[in-house]
Amino acid sequence: DIQMTQSPSSLSASVGDRVTITCRASQNIGSYLSWYQQKPGKAPDLLIYAASSLQSGVPSRFSGSGSGTDFIFTVSSLQPEDFATYYCQQNYNTPLTFGGGTKVEIK
Amino acid sequence: QVQLVQSGAEVREPGASVKVSCQASGYTFTDYYIHWVRQAPGQGLEWMGWINPNSGGTNFAQNFQDWVTMTRDTSISTAYMELRRLKSDDTAVYYCARGLGLVHDYWGQGTLVTVSS
Repeated sequence: DIQMTQSPSSLSASVGDRVTITCRASQNIGSYLSWYQQKPGKAPDLLIYAASSLQSGVPSRFSGSGSGTDFIFTVSSLQPEDFATYYCQQNYNTPLTFGGGTKVEIK
Repeated sequence: QVQLVQSGAEVREPGASVKVSCQASGYTFTDYYIHWVRQAPGQGLEWMGWINPNSGGTNFAQNFQDWVTMTRDTSISTAYMELRRLKSDDTAVYYCARGLGLVHDYWGQGTLVTVSS
């Protein structure tokens, strides 16, 4: 199975901050990586797929980059509604695997 | 609009089974796989498997292979996930999600399954 290592596991930030989360795969997954946002008590929402493609309707302050084993997720200017937990997921093969999550909290 | 609506919360005793449903609307049900993902309380996301609604074919994570069944009823655009021989650590929210390939582009609202004696 492909292991996904996400860091940090949590961070504190202020509205307007630039936030970066990293995700590392245990083997080369090309660009088969997605990012999801999950708010408490809600299902995850797809933000980014194919490492850098923005899902329809997702604000442009969210972006993704990387390929192979190392990936970055960025929120360019954090908004109040962005405080949530973010997960990366490899879509290269089954079993699909997720990173452990990054909880973004208000500073 | 695409919607996945899941059945309500369930409580089961250890050793019992549970069957969760996921009714799709707003798209052609047989054109997209349905995946199941679970999340234990305070924990991360765990992929369980998928079902191809067109053929009924399935693919399970090894952890679930011997005790999960995924089925579908195309006449009512509904997928089902059944877990057998429940244990207390199966207590979790179970989500269905539409598969855009292996990407989950739409999710159900989740179904809490509590396993307790």
